[in-house]
Amino acid sequence: DVKVTQSSRYLVKRTGEKVFLECVQDMDHENMFWYRQDPGLGLRLIYFSYDVKMKEKGDIPEGYSVSREKKERFSLILESASTNQTSMYLCASSSPPGLGDETQYFGPGTRLLVL
Amino acid sequence: AQTVTQSQPEMSVQEAETVTLSCTYDTSENNYYLFWYKQPPSRQMILVIRQEAYKQQNATENRFSVNFQKAAKSFSLKISDSQLGDTAMYFCAFMKHAGNTGKLIFGQGTTLQVKP
Repeated sequence: DVKVTQSSRYLVKRTGEKVFLECVQDMDHENMFWYRQDPGLGLRLIYFSYDVKMKEKGDIPEGYSVSREKKERFSLILESASTNQTSMYLCASSSPPGLGDETQYFGPGTRLLVL
Repeated sequence: AQTVTQSQPEMSVQEAETVTLSCTYDTSENNYYLFWYKQPPSRQMILVIRQEAYKQQNATENRFSVNFQKAAKSFSLKISDSQLGDTAMYFCAFMKHAGNTGKLIFGQGTTLQVKP
């Protein structure tokens, strides 16, 4: 079974703090993704990575950065947390499309509260 | 740009009955994938069913089936013999076939409650 793990299920931070969310997958997937999930808005893509050290902005990258130093690990960084970044953050991984399994496999999510 | 719309924020169904969740999308692509994902309360998001746009036949997975209408850009999910464990938020999602990034575009989600 594919396993995607996230470093924390719940996190409480103060405004202005630097926040690191980590995601690890064990299926040797090339692609990894960070989404935020908000009620009524579904999942919105923040950043994704299609290879080590490669990254591309998603639909809402402002206020976030990412790091992918190893294939299995993809980190999301909130440089200076703000209250409007209070949300559920979901990580996912997948193989590239066309190789037989386009499914994205998700981690359990991190619920972040910024005070 | 592609968009995905789920017009039913909440739905409920009695146990053992059938329910259909709606999804429409907008794209100029001819080849793509469509997915339904399920997110149970406080649990991990998992894939329910997927459909490749070039396939005419509607996908089925046990009690779950889709009605894929390519011309109408509609992709509804039918759950037959609903079970309490089907209570979850359901997301419809679109992926372009071209390119290697596998980006998903999600709808807003439909919360389904199965009542005993």
